[in-house]
Amino acid sequence: DVKVTQSSRYLVKRTGEKVFLECVQDMDHENMFWYRQDPGLGLRLIYFSYDVKMKEKGDIPEGYSVSREKKERFSLILESASTNQTSMYLCASSPWTYNEQFFGPGTRLTVL
Amino acid sequence: KQEVTQIPAALSVPEGENLVLNCSFTDSAIYNLQWFRQDPGKGLTSLLLIQSSQREQTSGRLNASLDKSSGRSTLYIAASQPGDSATYLCAASSNDYKLSFGAGTTVTVRA
Repeated sequence: DVKVTQSSRYLVKRTGEKVFLECVQDMDHENMFWYRQDPGLGLRLIYFSYDVKMKEKGDIPEGYSVSREKKERFSLILESASTNQTSMYLCASSPWTYNEQFFGPGTRLTVL
Repeated sequence: KQEVTQIPAALSVPEGENLVLNCSFTDSAIYNLQWFRQDPGKGLTSLLLIQSSQREQTSGRLNASLDKSSGRSTLYIAASQPGDSATYLCAASSNDYKLSFGAGTTVTVRA
């Protein structure tokens, strides 16, 4: 079974802090994704990566950056957290050959 | 831009009844269509993936159909159980890796 893990289930940070969200997959997938999910807005793609050190902006990249130094690990970075970044963050991975995405358990981030 | 719609937003059925969940999409040039389940406060669990060349996929009590020409997919859940209560999302994939998600249908199965 594909396993996607995220470093924290719940996280509380202060405005202005730098926040790191980590995601690890164990199936040697080439593609990895970061989404945020908000009531009434659904899932929105922040960034995705199709190879090590490669990244593409999604629909809402502002205020975020990403890092992929190893194939299995994809990090989302909030450079200076703001209250409007309070959300559920979901990581996913998929193989190169077809886009079946597998999701992690999510991180509920609260920025105070 | 792909738009994905799921109607109704919520559904309540008695245990044992068959569930029919609808998903429509505007651009028929999809790569595949994926159905997910999400429990409150949790991540998404992949249920079924239908490739664009397929008409349906089955897994246990779940069956999903795809009609690209009409821009529709349907998820059938046979003999529903209280444990099937969750939000079900569909997502259409384009060739640039992106998934376009519907807003989901929240299902309650009454014991």
